[in-house]
Amino acid sequence: NAGVTQTPKFRILKIGQSMTLQCAQDMNHNYMYWYRQDPGMGLKLIYYSVGAGITDKGEVPNGYNVSRSTTEDFPLRLELAAPSQTSVYFCASSQDRANSPLHFGNGTRLTVT
Amino acid sequence: AQTVTQSQPEMSVQEAETVTLSCTYDTSENNYYLFWYKQPPSRQMILVIRQEAYKQQNATENRFSVNFQKAAKSFSLKISDSQLGDTAMYFCAFKPGGGADGLTFGKGTHLIIQP
Repeated sequence: NAGVTQTPKFRILKIGQSMTLQCAQDMNHNYMYWYRQDPGMGLKLIYYSVGAGITDKGEVPNGYNVSRSTTEDFPLRLELAAPSQTSVYFCASSQDRANSPLHFGNGTRLTVT
Repeated sequence: AQTVTQSQPEMSVQEAETVTLSCTYDTSENNYYLFWYKQPPSRQMILVIRQEAYKQQNATENRFSVNFQKAAKSFSLKISDSQLGDTAMYFCAFKPGGGADGLTFGKGTHLIIQP
């Protein structure tokens, strides 16, 4: 099993550009999440999804959009990139059981200059 | 909303020593789950251990154990016989008992194991 796969691993964007961070999981998990990790700040939830066609905002959704057309894929879209979006982005998934841990991808390091 | 506090930004111990990482949390929920994740320099997030709040018995996974004090809202991680490979960031995380809410993370503790 590949688990949770994120692409790309690294990306540099110029201010105002757009991009999509890809996330795919092969564990048939209904729940999927996007987090960002800033230095010294832990991980903060951007968006999450409980299944195909259903998404909801997390703690820091501004500047981002998501979609969930299939169970497997949960892309994160950045429109008009800003330096404040420089961060490491993690996608995660879990079974729809309360005590299920999150399974994380290896992250995407994004720099906006 | 929940908050998770890790009061030790960095800790350093000698190989083979025992080390305890602190975590406190604030919540009004009665049913919830607590986790410790390890993040080595590779950036991968690895589940270390989890605890269900309704269980009084402390969770144990090999050299890793927790001291869960529900009344004090404390969830510390003890690493016994520490190894060089334990060097990493460690994050404490909280998850409410119901729904699809993601984890709320602390800011992390950078643990360094010295040879």
